Amino acid sequence: AQSVTQLDSQVPVFEEAPVELRCNYSSSVSVYLFWYVQYPNQGLQLLLKYLSGSTLVKGINGFEAEFNKSQTSFHLRKPSVHISDTAEYFCAVRGAAGYSSASKIIFGSGTRLSIRP
Amino acid sequence: GAVVSQHPSRVICKSGTSVKIECRSLDFQATTMFWYRQFPKQSLMLMATSNEGSKATYEQGVEKDKFLINHASLTLSTLTVTSAHPEDSSFYICSARDGQNYEQYFGPGTRLTVT
Repeated sequence: AQSVTQLDSQVPVFEEAPVELRCNYSSSVSVYLFWYVQYPNQGLQLLLKYLSGSTLVKGINGFEAEFNKSQTSFHLRKPSVHISDTAEYFCAVRGAAGYSSASKIIFGSGTRLSIRP
Repeated sequence: GAVVSQHPSRVICKSGTSVKIECRSLDFQATTMFWYRQFPKQSLMLMATSNEGSKATYEQGVEKDKFLINHASLTLSTLTVTSAHPEDSSFYICSARDGQNYEQYFGPGTRLTVT
């Protein structure tokens, strides 16, 4: 089984400052990793995903994340945030294809990113 | 890109009644669909997984007789909350997995309020 830990429940950041949202995972098999964003009263939007290959993954809205297998981490970063980035961010994990545990995406508890002007 | 729709987007019902939520994959065939529940300011919790034509598999702690899931076709799954109570008020999100490329896509969610 897989699990995801998002270490920060809230991250306040000033506008145009860099931000890092932390995510660690646990799994006995190879995994796929995802970051989703949820704006107030809306559904999920996929920011980026890691399936295989390059450990640095670039997503939408200027976000990127780095897969670190030895640290079992998949931290999300953005060099300069904007007010519109205010939202809830979820890290998620799924077993890689071919494993029976691949059937579910499991979510972390979420990190609320609030941008201050 | 692949689209998953949910209907209704919002529903208010009285305590004791049942409500059905539909989840449709619009441009792909979903061999597997998932139902999640999200309480305010909390994460998404997987409720159940359903494969087309089979009975749903429920996560531990989810009452299968209360949350009836039907996945009768490759593009439609329904979640029926039976005898709803105020504590069932939540945001319900479905997700569909494309049988071709194994990608999983999420619907926009349904906000259920039980009065």
